[in-house]
Amino acid sequence: AQTVTQSQPEMSVQEAETVTLSCTYDTSENNYYLFWYKQPPSRQMILVIRQEAYKQQNATENRFSVNFQKAAKSFSLKISDSQLGDTAMYFCAFRNTGNQFYFGTGTSLTVIP
Amino acid sequence: NAGVMQNPRHLVRRRGQEARLRCSPMKGHSHVYWYRQLPEEGLKFMVYLQKENIIDESGMPKERFSAEFPKEGPSILRIQQVVRGDSAAYFCASSLGLQNTEAFFGQGTRLTVV
Repeated sequence: AQTVTQSQPEMSVQEAETVTLSCTYDTSENNYYLFWYKQPPSRQMILVIRQEAYKQQNATENRFSVNFQKAAKSFSLKISDSQLGDTAMYFCAFRNTGNQFYFGTGTSLTVIP
Repeated sequence: NAGVMQNPRHLVRRRGQEARLRCSPMKGHSHVYWYRQLPEEGLKFMVYLQKENIIDESGMPKERFSAEFPKEGPSILRIQQVVRGDSAAYFCASSLGLQNTEAFFGQGTRLTVV
């Protein structure tokens, strides 16, 4: 079975600064997808960004970008110009070829004004 | 296009009662997942279903828990004889089942067992 590890239970960042959230995963598959989800206090899970494993180019979505290191099985999320609305739990997720999703335990991010 | 709909949002049950959690996937989605989230913890996979089939239930407790996704109607997560330890937020997600698509989540059902 695949596992997803987020080693930072809590992080904080000053508003307008940059923060990086770490994620590693374990799999024997070659084709898979990786995602970062955000869960604000409303509890609604929101997709932040996705990465296809066969693409070497790192995905970006406005202020959000990833550093995907396939050989190291690492998939970190960088948030630039942090905003107060970025305060949330962030979950790293792995999707295998069997269409199954696996989630990490989450990182609680607080943006400090 | 409505998102994933879960109801009820909040459910209170006394110990020993049954809890039924409903999930209507996004239109056109035939893949449904159930996850449990305990306070201060991440999402724990419970079960993965396609229409009328259970694909993977390796995360489901062996007793008291069951899930279905009938041909017509919502997916149901059923917990019989609830205990205090069942108190949690239960999230449903759906997907198209295509390789490059994400799972879309409902807002969850918060179950409280008193």
